[in-house]
Amino acid sequence: LAKTTQPISMDSYEGQEVNITCSHNNIATNDYITWYQQFPSQGPRFIIQGYKTKVTNEVASLFIPADRKSSTLSLPRVSLSDTAVYYCLVGDFTNTGNQFYFGTGTSLTVIP
Amino acid sequence: EPEVTQTPSHQVTQMGQEVILRCVPISNHLYFYWYRQILGQKVEFLVSFYNNEISEKSEIFDDQFSVERPDGSNFTLKIRSTKLEDSAMYFCASSEPLAVTDTQYFGPGTRLTVL
Repeated sequence: LAKTTQPISMDSYEGQEVNITCSHNNIATNDYITWYQQFPSQGPRFIIQGYKTKVTNEVASLFIPADRKSSTLSLPRVSLSDTAVYYCLVGDFTNTGNQFYFGTGTSLTVIP
Repeated sequence: EPEVTQTPSHQVTQMGQEVILRCVPISNHLYFYWYRQILGQKVEFLVSFYNNEISEKSEIFDDQFSVERPDGSNFTLKIRSTKLEDSAMYFCASSEPLAVTDTQYFGPGTRLTVL
């Protein structure tokens, strides 16, 4: 299982782009990278998933360099409601039914 | 957008009592999970369930815990004799079969308080 390392916390002003980087040096060939968001007292919410290069959806972008040893979640123009904990998960998500491993995540605080 | 729902949102119980936490997974999903999160700590896996059987369980999921899919829509977690340390948020999740990659969708959680 690839260990992930993320910053414990980040602050950003409203309207700015936020980039949260996750290190996963031991990522395996079959591993995907998935990001979840969690608000206080709520369940984790899927944001984005990728294998390589760049993935974009209506919420975020995920940048994965060629060596896949890190990934960056990019949140464009954050608002106060983006204040949450963001988790980077790495695993063989091609198999359904496996447990997901959540680390401590990155606590993002958006400041007015 | 389909959602996982959980009831109750908050359950208070006395130590030693049995509790049943209920979940309604997304309707076409066939894999079901329970996770818990003690206040201020990580989200921890408890158990996964597929085809009316436990697929995988963690060390936390001891004999005090059981899961069941009593009908076509509900998925339950039973704690037989609650302990103070069972106080946590309990999250149900589900995922669909035959997806290219697994994405688990989580419910809003049940806050369990054991007194």
